[in-house]
Amino acid sequence: EAGVAQSPRYKIIEKRQSVAFWCNPISGHATLYWYQQILGQGPKLLIQFQNNGVVDDSQLPKDRFSAERLKGVDSTLKIQPAKLEDSAVYLCASSPTGGYTEAFFGQGTRLTVV
Amino acid sequence: DQQVKQNSPSLSVQEGRISILNCDYTNSMFDYFLWYKKYPAEGPTFLISISSIKDKNEDGRFTVFLNKSAKHLSLHIVPSQPGDSAVYFCAASEASKIIFGSGTRLSIRP
Repeated sequence: EAGVAQSPRYKIIEKRQSVAFWCNPISGHATLYWYQQILGQGPKLLIQFQNNGVVDDSQLPKDRFSAERLKGVDSTLKIQPAKLEDSAVYLCASSPTGGYTEAFFGQGTRLTVV
Repeated sequence: DQQVKQNSPSLSVQEGRISILNCDYTNSMFDYFLWYKKYPAEGPTFLISISSIKDKNEDGRFTVFLNKSAKHLSLHIVPSQPGDSAVYFCAASEASKIIFGSGTRLSIRP
């Protein structure tokens, strides 16, 4: 079974530029998460989708971050414009629908904003 | 507002001994608790979980204990092996929303 796929693996951009990350979850998984992990901290939930609907985006900085999950499968996370403090690893995870909520993670995208 | 806390940023244990990683939480509505392991340049991988209605779950060398009255859980690894050296994240779930602690770096020394 293929795992969660993310691209790119690494990205370096200048502040005020825009960037987009892509995630393809495990086939059949209805729930998709985007997390931000700053160095030395735990993953912080940015947004959670159930199929193509948003379940929780309370910690998503909506003035600069946006995410979509068209057709309830793959997803993109965009930052526009980027700030220095957005430097982090962006992790995508997916889980099957149901009461047991183990999530499977991709390798992440390391973003450096200079 | 940290709902899941791991107060020990690092832990060093001798190979063959028991490793005990601790985690505290504040939200009594959490229904599952999970432990993830993370190696450098990789995403976290699921290790073991426990339902809020249980107090112990065991899987091979890994055992998780839950003390709901103290809002505390712990992960025991015995015996500890060199490959266990990694960052361990405690996580808690409420209605499929998963919240992570800040992690504990476990180092297994020979």
